[in-house]
Amino acid sequence: EAGVAQSPRYKIIEKRQSVAFWCNPISGHATLYWYQQILGQGPKLLIQFQNNGVVDDSQLPKDRFSAERLKGVDSTLKIQPAKLEDSAVYLCASSPISRDRVYEQYFGPGTRLTVT
Amino acid sequence: RKEVEQDPGPFNVPEGATVAFNCTYSNSASQSFFWYRQDCRKEPKLLMSVYSSGNEDGRFTAQLNRASQYISLLIRDSKLSDSATYLCVVNPGGYNKLIFGAGTRLAVHP
Repeated sequence: EAGVAQSPRYKIIEKRQSVAFWCNPISGHATLYWYQQILGQGPKLLIQFQNNGVVDDSQLPKDRFSAERLKGVDSTLKIQPAKLEDSAVYLCASSPISRDRVYEQYFGPGTRLTVT
Repeated sequence: RKEVEQDPGPFNVPEGATVAFNCTYSNSASQSFFWYRQDCRKEPKLLMSVYSSGNEDGRFTAQLNRASQYISLLIRDSKLSDSATYLCVVNPGGYNKLIFGAGTRLAVHP
């Protein structure tokens, strides 16, 4: 079974530039998550989609970050404009839809972003 | 106060040692608990779920103390391949949301 795919794997940009990350979840997984993991910290949830609807975006810096999952499958996370503190690994994860239990989240390899 | 707190380590132990990690969580309404493992420069992967009655998976034992809001992971007979960061993870309730601790780093040496 194919895992969660992400691209690009690495990106270096200058501050104030924009960047976009792409994620394709495991086939059939209705829930998709974007996390930010800063060096030395655990992953922090940025946004959670269930199908193509947003379930939680309470920690998404909406003045510069945006995400979409238009057809309920793959998703794009954008940062515009980037700041130095956005340097991190951006992880995408997916899981089956949650009704009566908490499902394991499967993570992609991440995109390592460096803002200079 | 952080929602999930862990000792960052590193824990440096010899092969064959027994090592224990602890984790505390702040939300008493939290419902589900997990340990994820993250190798250096890799993505997190589920190691095991943590049940109120405690559970064991080979050399790994996880325990939960809801009254103290405390979770533990015990690794027996450590292997070199156990070297990784162990993330304590809590579901505060609803919609499969997970809150990750900062992780505890384990280094097993020959």
